[in-house]
Amino acid sequence: QVQLVQSGAEVKKPGASVKISCQASGYTFTGYNIHWVRQAPGQGLEWMGWTNPNSGGANPAQKFQGRLTMTRDTSIKTAYMELTSLRSDDTAIYYCARSSVAFHYFDYWGQGALVTVSS
Amino acid sequence: DIQMTQSPSTLSASVGDRVTITCRASQNINDRLAWYQHKPGKAPKLLIYKASNLEPGVPSRFSGSGSGTEFTLTIGSLQPDDFATFYCQHYNSFSSTFGQGTKLDIK
Repeated sequence: QVQLVQSGAEVKKPGASVKISCQASGYTFTGYNIHWVRQAPGQGLEWMGWTNPNSGGANPAQKFQGRLTMTRDTSIKTAYMELTSLRSDDTAIYYCARSSVAFHYFDYWGQGALVTVSS
Repeated sequence: DIQMTQSPSTLSASVGDRVTITCRASQNINDRLAWYQHKPGKAPKLLIYKASNLEPGVPSRFSGSGSGTEFTLTIGSLQPDDFATFYCQHYNSFSSTFGQGTKLDIK
């Protein structure tokens, strides 16, 4: 069965960086895009960007350009999201999610990873 | 950027009720709309894609309709497991935008 398993919770100081992993199983990793979505406390869902594991290409949302890097390691079927220059308002649960290459709705999601940014 | 606006923001209903949530796009998005159910501590769950297509495994009491700029999610007869927050999502080849969410709670 399709599964996306994310790395664990992180606590970071303002100005630091965080890197979250998302390991895929149960499907052809290079056949689908991986997206990143976050939810800050008490807020709604916010799309951050996507990466194509086949080509390695990535498309961050304009809001995150310059701070967000999305990569992958196809040998271990894992996608990564790195967010730099962290601020307190980056405190959120970060999800990875799968979409087809053609249609970017998300049929499978990771379990989420809480990132807390605090001094 | 395309903005997605859901209404209402909160909705109180009882088991067995029929409820409708609306999502409006700031410009024509054709049928590029999905609906998700999100419960605290869990990952969001895809309910509907391409505005009206039911994701396999999702109960048939959930239905979606609309095209262009106005869309609806209808739950035909609320069950106890349905109480959650619901989000619409516009998607295209480059980006996605979520609505602000509709919290459905028990009256």
